[in-house]
Amino acid sequence: DSGVTQTPKHLITATGQRVTLRCSPRSGDLSVYWYQQSLDQGLQFLIQYYNGEERAKGNILERFSAQQFPDLHSELNLSSLELGDSALYFCASSVEGGGESYFGPGTRLTVL
Amino acid sequence: GEDVEQSLFLSVREGDSSVINCTYTDSSSTYLYWYKQEPGAGLQLLTYIFSNMDMKQDQRLTVLLNKKDKHLSLRIADTQTGDSAIYFCAERLNTDKLIFGTGTRLQVFP
Repeated sequence: DSGVTQTPKHLITATGQRVTLRCSPRSGDLSVYWYQQSLDQGLQFLIQYYNGEERAKGNILERFSAQQFPDLHSELNLSSLELGDSALYFCASSVEGGGESYFGPGTRLTVL
Repeated sequence: GEDVEQSLFLSVREGDSSVINCTYTDSSSTYLYWYKQEPGAGLQLLTYIFSNMDMKQDQRLTVLLNKKDKHLSLRIADTQTGDSAIYFCAERLNTDKLIFGTGTRLQVFP
């Protein structure tokens, strides 16, 4: 158990819909990262938040957005879903500048 | 640029050593990581090495870093069937994000 939790574990929805994925970082970690794992793209960095503020942005689509709340949990919002958005979405957390970067169990999103 | 490369497959006999290799391109890496992913599971942090180190050993795992050649390797001693998984190399840039390789599928046969 990495200490990073993600809900839900599985999500099945239809094209055009909107979903929210939730992540709680390890106790004490201020940084939260979101990654997408798909068969064709591999593991791709989406976005990072540090203590409530956006720190870095990767290959995140405009249809996707994220935020980190005062209690440090984070949500990733995916809208106008397309078939190609089907993937595993991971959240990770770390201490700023520290070496350890732990991943949650992931949310498997299936868009039908 | 940001690019991390790994070979796709490795097959070893149980009890032998496995060596998984990785090359990266960004010299601003602060840490380099090895993660393990079993089927249907998340990413498990196996070990990591700070970029100014050459080697790190942790039980059956040995990480070697050649910073000049931007080459990272993971050696698993006495490989077991439970080690069968996909192994991802990743570099952490000074922006804190991780850049992952494509993963190496390790198959251990008896």
